[in-house]
Amino acid sequence: AQKITQTQPGMFVQEKEAVTLDCTYDTSDQSYGLFWYKQPSSGEMIFLIYQGSYDEQNATEGRYSLNFQKARKSANLVISASQLGDSAMYFCAMSFSGSARQLTFGSGTQLTVLP
Amino acid sequence: DAGVTQSPTHLIKTRGQQVTLRCSPKSGHDTVSWYQQALGQGPQFIFQYYEEEERQRGNFPDRFSGHQFPNYSSELNVNALLLGDSALYLCASSLLGPPYNEQFFGPGTRLTVL
Repeated sequence: AQKITQTQPGMFVQEKEAVTLDCTYDTSDQSYGLFWYKQPSSGEMIFLIYQGSYDEQNATEGRYSLNFQKARKSANLVISASQLGDSAMYFCAMSFSGSARQLTFGSGTQLTVLP
Repeated sequence: DAGVTQSPTHLIKTRGQQVTLRCSPKSGHDTVSWYQQALGQGPQFIFQYYEEEERQRGNFPDRFSGHQFPNYSSELNVNALLLGDSALYLCASSLLGPPYNEQFFGPGTRLTVL
């Protein structure tokens, strides 16, 4: 069975600083995908970044980068130059080769950006 | 190009009633997945539809059922509502095949069971 662990229920960061949100995963599959989503208080799940298990380079999307350490089974999200609008809940999720479309989510990290 | 849409936005029901939630996938997507997100938790996979058939199902009772129409839109039905069914219900659309990084969510339907 697949499992995602996010150990930081809440994080605070100063505006314009960088922040790392932790995510570890557990799977016996060799082929899987890792996602990060942002969920503002409105509820919509906004896709941020994706990393495939066979991708050799760490994924980057604008201010978001994914620090993928396959041997340690970690997929941490790094947000550079935090903005007030980054305050939201962040979820790490995983898909696996048995079902490329079913996502298993972690419990989330509530990020608050301070002015 | 519209993204994933869901209706209604909010819904209030009483225990024992039945509810139907609707989802229209992003243009070009053929697969719809439904998730339940209880307050303070991550979303939990309910089931997935492709070619009008349920392909995968999570650990949810038979009170949860669904349907997919020829235009790829989907419905989630919940019978005999319980207080514990109160949650945000999210619909996600994608292609069954690659690219596997595309899975987009709708705004959700917030269901309250009294």
